[in-house]
Amino acid sequence: GAGVSQSPSNKVTEKGKDVELRCDPISGHTALYWYRQSLGQGLEFLIYFQGNSAPDKSGLPSDRFSAERTGGSVSTLTIQRTQQEDSAVYLCASSLESVSGGSPLHFGNGTRLTVT
Amino acid sequence: AQSVTQLDSQVPVFEEAPVELRCNYSSSVSVYLFWYVQYPNQGLQLLLKYLSGSTLVESINGFEAEFNKSQTSFHLRKPSVHISDTAEYFCAVRPHRGGYNKLIFGAGTRLAVHP
Repeated sequence: GAGVSQSPSNKVTEKGKDVELRCDPISGHTALYWYRQSLGQGLEFLIYFQGNSAPDKSGLPSDRFSAERTGGSVSTLTIQRTQQEDSAVYLCASSLESVSGGSPLHFGNGTRLTVT
Repeated sequence: AQSVTQLDSQVPVFEEAPVELRCNYSSSVSVYLFWYVQYPNQGLQLLLKYLSGSTLVESINGFEAEFNKSQTSFHLRKPSVHISDTAEYFCAVRPHRGGYNKLIFGAGTRLAVHP
């Protein structure tokens, strides 16, 4: 079946503009993650949605960042008033979550954001 | 809170040589442990995981990792690497203290296999 789909694959924006990044998880996956991958910084956790529970937003770097997940499926990550340090690859992953915690994450190919 | 430290940002090695990619973690509760791999121009994928039971876990392509609770480590090893193993490797942990918990990654180790 289809994997995790992210759009756009590349986004170039001017400093100060808002951007929206979209993630379509694998159908039926209850958990959805957003991570940010910067050169030399590894994978930085941003936010985690699990079913109908309140999301874990502890990784969002500032109040310019927000995310929502509508209907337990598609998610949108919004960055307001973008800054150059926001330039990175934004990765989405989904998982058929269980309390046992062993389910693997399935990653999308990411959105490469460049703020000029 | 949990954290993951990958001690080497880059590991160059010759083909057919052994390799060890180091991973240490910090956590006040028990954790599940994972290694993910990102091949050039591809997305991340699960390589292997430790949930419980035998502390030595293996992947289908010859990698193995051993969970050492006393040293809080989960180092990844392969006795003989191939050019195709060139990739970035990420160690990750998830606490299992009840309920659903997020997966935390290390900074990654770039393995470069040379002929």
